[in-house]
Amino acid sequence: EDKVVQSPLSLVVHEGDTVTLNCSYEVTNFRSLLWYKQEKKAPTFLFMLTSSGIEKKSGRLSSILDKKELFSILNITATQTGDSAVYLCAVGNTNAGKSTFGDGTTLTVKP
Amino acid sequence: DSGVTQTPKHLITATGQRVTLRCSPRSGDLSVYWYQQSLDQGLQFLIQYYNGEERAKGNILERFSAQQFPDLHSELNLSSLELGDSALYFCASSVEPRGGTEAFFGQGTRLTVV
Repeated sequence: EDKVVQSPLSLVVHEGDTVTLNCSYEVTNFRSLLWYKQEKKAPTFLFMLTSSGIEKKSGRLSSILDKKELFSILNITATQTGDSAVYLCAVGNTNAGKSTFGDGTTLTVKP
Repeated sequence: DSGVTQTPKHLITATGQRVTLRCSPRSGDLSVYWYQQSLDQGLQFLIQYYNGEERAKGNILERFSAQQFPDLHSELNLSSLELGDSALYFCASSVEPRGGTEAFFGQGTRLTVV
C-alpha cells in the first residue's frame, strides 16, 4: 500500500525565518509527488514534481524531489504570517486513480 | 475559487440517519475524487469516478456509496451514520483519470453526527 510520511508534524517559527518541510514516500509505480497548502478549508495546489533534482519555484516557495531516496522537501524562505497553514504532500501511482496524502505539517508563523 | 462546488457547506444530523453530499466539478474536468478528513488528520481517499464510471476505490465503508451523473456532478451517500463519521468531506476534480495530477478541491462539507 502506498504511504506518505511528513515531518515535522508541526512547526512554529517567526516571520522572516526559513523553513524546510519533509515528505518521504513509498509507492509502487511512482508517477508524481504533489504539494498542497491547506488554510481554513480547501487544499490548494502548490507544486507537482516528477523528476529528480529539478527544483520547482514559486516566489518564496520551492520544492525538489529525490526519487532515489524517495523524499521531497518544501522550502519557504522569509516566512510571513500568511504562510501559516497545513502543508500536505501526496504521491500519485501510475496504476491508481488517486493520490495518497500524508498527514500534513502544520506551520505557524508568528509575527 | 477552485471552480469546484460542494453543497451543503455544513450538515448536522443524528446517528443512524442518511445524508447526501453533492459535488459539481470544475468545468471540463471528468474526474471526481472524494476524500474524508477527520480532525487533525490528512486526507483519506474514498472513491474516484471518471466520466461516470467508478475508477478507484479507497477505504470506503460499505455504508458509503457514490455515483457520478451524466452531467458529471457527483453525490456521496452516507448511511447509518455513526459519531465517528463526523468529518470534513472534500470533493476534488481533475481533467485526467490518473492520480498524481493537479486536483482542484471544493470547500468541503462539514458533517457533524450527534
